[in-house]
Order: sequence, then structure tokens, then C-alpha cells
Amino acid sequence: SYELTQPPSVSVSPGQTARITCSGDALPKKYAYWYQQKSGQAPVLVIYEDSKRPSGIPERFSGSSSGTMATLTISGAQVEDEADYYCYSTDSSGNHRGVFGGGTKLTVL
Amino acid sequence: EVQLVESGGVVVQPGGSLRLSCAASGFTFDDYTMHWVRQAPGKGLEWVSLISWDGGSTYYADSVKGRFTISRDNSKNSLYLQMNSLRTEDTALYYCAKDTAMEPGWFDYWGQGTLVTVSS
Repeated sequence: SYELTQPPSVSVSPGQTARITCSGDALPKKYAYWYQQKSGQAPVLVIYEDSKRPSGIPERFSGSSSGTMATLTISGAQVEDEADYYCYSTDSSGNHRGVFGGGTKLTVL
Repeated sequence: EVQLVESGGVVVQPGGSLRLSCAASGFTFDDYTMHWVRQAPGKGLEWVSLISWDGGSTYYADSVKGRFTISRDNSKNSLYLQMNSLRTEDTALYYCAKDTAMEPGWFDYWGQGTLVTVSS
């Protein structure tokens, strides 16, 4: 079955740039989406269609995709950005089945 | 305001059955595909299933295929997940999520989840 691979953890100091990667064989053909989940809360969309930012999401959140890797970048990370981040996509077989990456714990301290 | 409220989560024995519900409001329910996503305690998110706007298309993760059935009642603005032959590994918080379109894609709103515990 199709898999998306993320690093388990990323750690930065406040004000630094955090980069979280997501690799998958179908990403050259399929969009990546990024969800932020803070402790005890439901996930929130922060990036859609590789690089678009929903309204209300701070400009420091950006996304990109190249080849088999998508990247979520948080420029000038804040303490409040500490959370689990999940990439999401579908495989390339056209069956619409979704898949999440394993998640990355972002620590900002 | 979009609201998704899940219900039906309880403690159930292995091999048992359960039906989850999701009540939707704040948007035109039958204009959108809907999804179920789950999260085992302390673990990551797992996509479970989706159903198209009219119920005509359904898809399942391999881990639940043949045991779970997704359905919807557009007249009641409700989404359902019938869970049969439950296993301990099905223990999770189950989220209902709204897609962004009629055709399957990705989700923009989530409920707060309902907890299913499979244990003897």
C-alpha cells in the first residue's frame, strides 16, 4: 500500500525556520496537504494543493513540492507553532484512497 | 459556521459491532464528499473511508475494508460508519471530516471526534 514518509521530529529555536518533509512516490502527480494538530485538538489545515495557504493561516507557513518530496516551511517559527504536523495525499492509482504521513512533532524552544 | 458532531463511540468487545454517526450543519451537506479519519491513542492520523456526495462511490483503507461500511443520509445531514468484526487495533478517536468538493479530494473541516475502545 502507498506510504508517505515524514521525519518523526524536528526541533528549532523561536524565530528560526522549520522545515518538515514528506516523501512519496506519487507526489509528482498528486498534491500534498498539511495539517497541524495541537495537543488534545482536532487537526487544522495549514497548506493545501502543495503551496496554498487557507485564510486565517499566518504567512509564515508555506509549502512546496518537487519530485517525490513535499516540504512544509515555517519561517520564523513561534512557540505556538509547536504541534504535530501531518502530510496527506492520495495514491496515483485513481481510487481516491487517502493516506497520511506518520506525523512530525515540531518542538520550538 | 460549519459544525460536525460525532457520536456513538463506546467500549465494545472484540468481534462486536458499532455504528458511529456524524451530524453536520452550517453547509449544504449533499454538496460534499465526506470522510472518516481515526487516531489511535498516542498515534498518528489514519484515513479510514470516504463517501461521495450522493453515496454512489465509497472507498476504504485496506485495514477496514470488508468490516466497515460508510453511508450517509442527505435528508438528515448525517454521515455514518458501521463497524463490524471489531479488533483491538480499531481502538481510536474517530473523526468525521468534510471534503472541499462533491468529488473526493481533501478535507477542510473536522469534528472533535468520538472515542471507540475495543477491549474485553
